[in-house]
Amino acid sequence: TAGITQAPTSQILAAGRSMTLRCTQDMRHNAMYWYRQDLGLGLRLIHYSNTAGTTGKGEVPDGYSVSRANTDDFPLTLASAVPSQTSVYFCASSERVAGPETQYFGPGTRLLVL
Amino acid sequence: GQNIDQPTEMTATEGAIVQINCTYQTSGFNGLFWYQQHAGEAPTFLSYNVLDGLEEKGRFSSFLSRSKGYSYLLLKELQMKDSASYLCAVRDDDYKLSFGAGTTVTVRA
Repeated sequence: TAGITQAPTSQILAAGRSMTLRCTQDMRHNAMYWYRQDLGLGLRLIHYSNTAGTTGKGEVPDGYSVSRANTDDFPLTLASAVPSQTSVYFCASSERVAGPETQYFGPGTRLLVL
Repeated sequence: GQNIDQPTEMTATEGAIVQINCTYQTSGFNGLFWYQQHAGEAPTFLSYNVLDGLEEKGRFSSFLSRSKGYSYLLLKELQMKDSASYLCAVRDDDYKLSFGAGTTVTVRA
């Protein structure tokens, strides 16, 4: 069972360049999320999608955009990367927004912006 | 904003018990989750509390007091593989998860 996959695993990116982090889930979950994890700050929500065709802003959305064209895919785009976007990015999904269902996390993408 | 506090680090001996506390102040409450995260890996689900009281799952238990904005994760019979970071997360009125910074537990032989 694949669950959630993310690509690339890691990336070094020059400041000012654009990049799309890919996320795909095969569990037919309705909700998907993007987090960044920085030392000492924990996981912070960037953007989310409660169902295909809808997206919303999380705690730290500036500099990022997302789309949710179908149930399985939820790409995250950095239009013009800056060094402060150096982080580990996790994609997650859950069957529903509410209830006891947990969020399942992908393996993460480690991004270094120079 | 959301405020979720947990200790940064804890150390315990193999076979012992460790209790990780989490206090929270959030805009509403729709459940509290605990996750385990080994270094370099993704968080994985441990427990979920939405009502006051204790939830037990094998060696791991989680407690919630909504009136006090307080939870703890209890790890019993510690094993070396339990060395990891433990994340407390609260789901708010908008059904979004807010995470604490995590507690790194080191288990010594």
